[in-house]
Amino acid sequence: AQTVTQSQPEMSVQEAETVTLSCTYDTSESDYYLFWYKQPPSRQMILVIRQEAYKQQNATENRFSVNFQKAAKSFSLKISDSQLGDAAMYFCAYRDTGTASKLTFGTGTRLQVTL
Amino acid sequence: GAVVSQHPSRVICKSGTSVKIECRSLDFQATTMFWYRQFPKQSLMLMATSNEGSKATYEQGVEKDKFLINHASLTLSTLTVTSAHPEDSSFYICSAQRGGPYNEQFFGPGTRLTVL
Repeated sequence: AQTVTQSQPEMSVQEAETVTLSCTYDTSESDYYLFWYKQPPSRQMILVIRQEAYKQQNATENRFSVNFQKAAKSFSLKISDSQLGDAAMYFCAYRDTGTASKLTFGTGTRLQVTL
Repeated sequence: GAVVSQHPSRVICKSGTSVKIECRSLDFQATTMFWYRQFPKQSLMLMATSNEGSKATYEQGVEKDKFLINHASLTLSTLTVTSAHPEDSSFYICSAQRGGPYNEQFFGPGTRLTVL
């Protein structure tokens, strides 16, 4: 079974600075998807960024980018120019490429943004 | 686009009663919906996968008779917590899968269930 590990329960970053959240996963599949989700205090899950395993190029979405290391099974999220609105729980997730494949979530990292 | 709603957002019930939670995809059809449970300060735990017109697939350890799931249409899935007890109090989140290259899941806003 696939597993997702987030080893940082909490992280803190100053406004306008950069922070990196770590995620590792375990799978025997060669093709799959990886995601970072944000869960603010409202608890609405919001997709931040997605990465297809067959793509070597790291995904980017504005201030958010990933460092995808397939051989190391590592998928970190970098948030640049952090903003107060970035404060939230961040979950790393894995999914097979099957049609109805389920998401497997990590335990989450709580990000605090300070002035 | 890709909006998923849940109703109710909060519900308080007495022990022994049943509670129904609805999950609707508002602007797309979802052949597959998922139900999650989230305890405070914890991650989302998948309870079951719901496919339109067929029986739900439950994760190991989830009681089928306690958590009844019905996916009667391509836009609606319901979760009924039967004979609720205080330990069933939790945050329940649904997601709906939209077709396409990524089969992306879109999440509802969640339902907070409190059983007294």
